[in-house]
Amino acid sequence: GESVGLHLPTLSVQEGDNSIINCAYSNSASDYFIWYKQESGKGPQFIIDIRSNMDKRQGQRVTVLLNKTVKHLSLQIAATQPGDSAVYFCAEISGYSTLTFGKGTMLLVSP
Amino acid sequence: GAVVSQHPSRVICKSGTSVKIECRSLDFQATTMFWYRQFPKQSLMLMATSNEGSKATYEQGVEKDKFLINHASLTLSTLTVTSAHPEDSSFYICSAREATDRGPLHFGNGTRLTVT
Repeated sequence: GESVGLHLPTLSVQEGDNSIINCAYSNSASDYFIWYKQESGKGPQFIIDIRSNMDKRQGQRVTVLLNKTVKHLSLQIAATQPGDSAVYFCAEISGYSTLTFGKGTMLLVSP
Repeated sequence: GAVVSQHPSRVICKSGTSVKIECRSLDFQATTMFWYRQFPKQSLMLMATSNEGSKATYEQGVEKDKFLINHASLTLSTLTVTSAHPEDSSFYICSAREATDRGPLHFGNGTRLTVT
C-alpha cells in the first residue's frame, strides 16, 4: 500500500518526557485508525484506536489525535518510561477492507 | 481480550524443505485471518487474506504456490512456506478478526523463519 515505507525513523527521549509520534496516512476514505506497539521479536500490540468521527481520544498515558484535513495522526505518550521503548506503527482501514500499516517509528527511551 | 496464538515462534529449516506455521484464535471465532511478513526495521507487509472455508486472496507479488494458506476452521489458519530458500527468511505474523468485529486486529507473536 501507499503508506508502507522501507525506512524506520527513530525518536529518542529521556525518561519522564512526553513523546509525540506522527503518522501521515494516504487514503482519504480510511475511517478507522489504530496505533500498535511492537517490541523486538513480538507481534504488534494494540495501544489505542480512533474513528474518523472523532479528532481526539485518550487512554491511559496515551492520546491519539486525528487531523483528517491533512491526513495526519499522532500518538502522544505522557511521562515516557523505558518500557515504552519499541517500534510504533499507525494503521488505517476503510470499511471492512484490509489494514494498512504505516512505516513505523522506533522510540528509544533513555533513563 | 482476544488472543491469537502463533506456532512455532522460531523455526530453522534447510533450503528446499517446507515449513508450516499455525495461527489460532483462542477465545473467538476468526472468520478472517491475515498473514504478514516483516523484514528487519521495516513495516508489516500484508501477504494474504484468508476467509474460513474459501481460498485465500493474495497481495500482488506474493506467490500463492509458494505460500500456501489454509483456513479450514474458524479458529485455525496455516501458512506453509514450500521449497523454502534463504530469501524466505523473515518474520511472519498472523492476525485475526471476528465476523462482525470492526475493532482492531489481534496479532500473534510472530514466527521467525531462518532458511539455511
